[in-house]
Amino acid sequence: NAGVTQTPKFQVLKTGQSMTLQCAQDMNHEYMSWYRQDPGMGLRLIHYSVGAGITDQGEVPNGYNVSRSTTEDFPLRLLSAAPSQTSVYFCASRADIQAPNEKLFFGSGTQLSVL
Amino acid sequence: AQSVTQLGSHVSVSEGALVLLRCNYSSSVPPYLFWYVQYPNQGLQLLLKYTSAATLVKGINGFEAEFKKSETSFHLTKPSAHMSDAAEYFCAVTSPIRGSARQLTFGSGTQLTVLP
Repeated sequence: NAGVTQTPKFQVLKTGQSMTLQCAQDMNHEYMSWYRQDPGMGLRLIHYSVGAGITDQGEVPNGYNVSRSTTEDFPLRLLSAAPSQTSVYFCASRADIQAPNEKLFFGSGTQLSVL
Repeated sequence: AQSVTQLGSHVSVSEGALVLLRCNYSSSVPPYLFWYVQYPNQGLQLLLKYTSAATLVKGINGFEAEFKKSETSFHLTKPSAHMSDAAEYFCAVTSPIRGSARQLTFGSGTQLTVLP
């Protein structure tokens, strides 16, 4: 059981480039989410999904797109990277979309630098 | 909307000393509260959670936290620090209303250093 898998672990982009951060989970979790972690700001929610075909915005969605075509995968797309998107990105999932007391399972993160 | 404030971005303790990491919450209803830990170059792991049962919650690795409604606090403690406790700790809050908890709101984190 691999849990939540994120790729790549590290990425360097130039301003204006596009890329996709991959996230896959093998736990059949309905809820998946993307967070960014910045020093002194904790983790902030970018987008989340409560099932295949259903996505919604979190606290900081601008500059990011998501889609959920399968239960397993939840990729995060940067269409035109900006230096302000330099951050560590975490994907997280949980089984029950309705249960607020369930824990999140986190991937190991993607460290992104935009030059 | 819920929020949490973690007092002290960096805390240093000696090995064997008491660990106290502070978290205060703001919420219009009694929330659900969590502590997550992040070891270097890893994702976050759940340490413990408060979900309106016992106010004193015990977690993994000897940590515990007490929910105090009168003080709107959920401080994390451990009686005796170990070198392996060095990590970043995040307090988080969400609404207890089933179906409305679409997101978990995290605090800014506290980096714990354990000195030999």
